[in-house]
Amino acid sequence: DAMVIQNPRYQVTQFGKPVTLSCSQTLNHNVMYWYQQKSSQAPKLLFHYYDKDFNNEADTPDNFQSRRPNTSFCFLDIRSPGLGDAAMYLCATSKTSGSVRDRDTQYFGPGTRLTVL
Amino acid sequence: QKEVEQDPGPLSVPEGAIVSLNCTYSNSAFQYFMWYRQYSRKGPELLMYTYSSGNKEDGRFTAQVDKSSKYISLFIRDSQPSDSATYLCAMSAFYGQNFVFGPGTRLSVLP
Repeated sequence: DAMVIQNPRYQVTQFGKPVTLSCSQTLNHNVMYWYQQKSSQAPKLLFHYYDKDFNNEADTPDNFQSRRPNTSFCFLDIRSPGLGDAAMYLCATSKTSGSVRDRDTQYFGPGTRLTVL
Repeated sequence: QKEVEQDPGPLSVPEGAIVSLNCTYSNSAFQYFMWYRQYSRKGPELLMYTYSSGNKEDGRFTAQVDKSSKYISLFIRDSQPSDSATYLCAMSAFYGQNFVFGPGTRLSVLP
């Protein structure tokens, strides 16, 4: 089945130790998103790739970087995690072709829960 | 004022009840409206999609959009314990990008 896969599902890191979260998709969607979701809060968009074009949200800290080496993969790098970065990180994809509904549907991965010690 | 407001709950209902979940928003440019269901420790999954105002029904779920009031609703008929999850509304002005999510309402359906 076509899907969005995130690895690992659970990640524990130490304060200040760089960490990379990965996302892959078999949907062949051209848009990929990274969200941060803290407990009982809405997912907060960090950045997204529209094809190869990187779009950073204005309030995304510099500590967060992303790479998209090809259509299928996207990485979230946290250079120096702080305690406040502990959260669920969600990857999502969408496409900009097809019906209006197709274009508006975001497909989410299961998330990676990051713990910072 | 937050762009999208949603009562966080928790909302507890008995099995078989009709559930009403609501979001209000402030940006009149929003025209694409979605409801996502998120089970604990999982990513959100799309439940309902509505463009502009009106109603849409899919099985036990009905989505309503009232753009004049900037108010959207999700109704769940004959609620089941398996409906227990957090329900997030999301909306955008432009297709495919710049989604804004509500904080979610946590629903518990008690057997």
